[in-house]
Amino acid sequence: QQQVKQSPQSLIVQKGGISIINCAYENTAFDYFPWYQQFPGKGPALLIAIRPDVSEKKEGRFTISFNKSAKQFSLHIMDSQPGDSATYFCAATGNTDKLIFGTGTRLQVFP
Amino acid sequence: KAGVTQTPRYLIKTRGQQVTLSCSPISGHRSVSWYQQTPGQGLQFLFEYFSETQRNKGNFPGRFSGRQFSNSRSEMNVSTLELGDSALYLCASSLLTGGFHEQFFGPGTRLTVL
Repeated sequence: QQQVKQSPQSLIVQKGGISIINCAYENTAFDYFPWYQQFPGKGPALLIAIRPDVSEKKEGRFTISFNKSAKQFSLHIMDSQPGDSATYFCAATGNTDKLIFGTGTRLQVFP
Repeated sequence: KAGVTQTPRYLIKTRGQQVTLSCSPISGHRSVSWYQQTPGQGLQFLFEYFSETQRNKGNFPGRFSGRQFSNSRSEMNVSTLELGDSALYLCASSLLTGGFHEQFFGPGTRLTVL
């Protein structure tokens, strides 16, 4: 019940395309859903986060869509750029600093 | 503002030894969490400290321990190292505890157990 399932494991997108990463959770006590971006040799960095009282949040080219009834949320990267090539992790937590992470998606954006 | 710093960045130990990793949070941050990152298990929560008290603990054996000092700096210790402890150990700090506060991650300490 503590798991967060993430797909796909890897994603190859052409420059300018849309990258979509999906996550699903089971624990209804989760109420904060961040996405992290990690480059090789670096720690994860917060990209964007959402709480379940909204269905969508957009920041620049990055959008989170949230479906509370389906217990699913997804990250959309519009106009993907080679600089977006990184590993992306979804996560969830319920009023604690204990983040439960998805398994990660390695995104490669080719020019 | 300086980010989260972790020392050392790389460490090589042999089975049976013990190791201590250090984390200095962002100035003013009082919550420090530790995570283990491996290719097989991904990112897994170890523990969280706030105001020198452990608030949460993950599902790791008692060989993994930590502490936080009055200046919010934190250390984690792994005793009787096993090959499977080879991982990137990440420290994250946040201003307060409670889940909605952004956690800032350090670059990690890469531990290799031979």
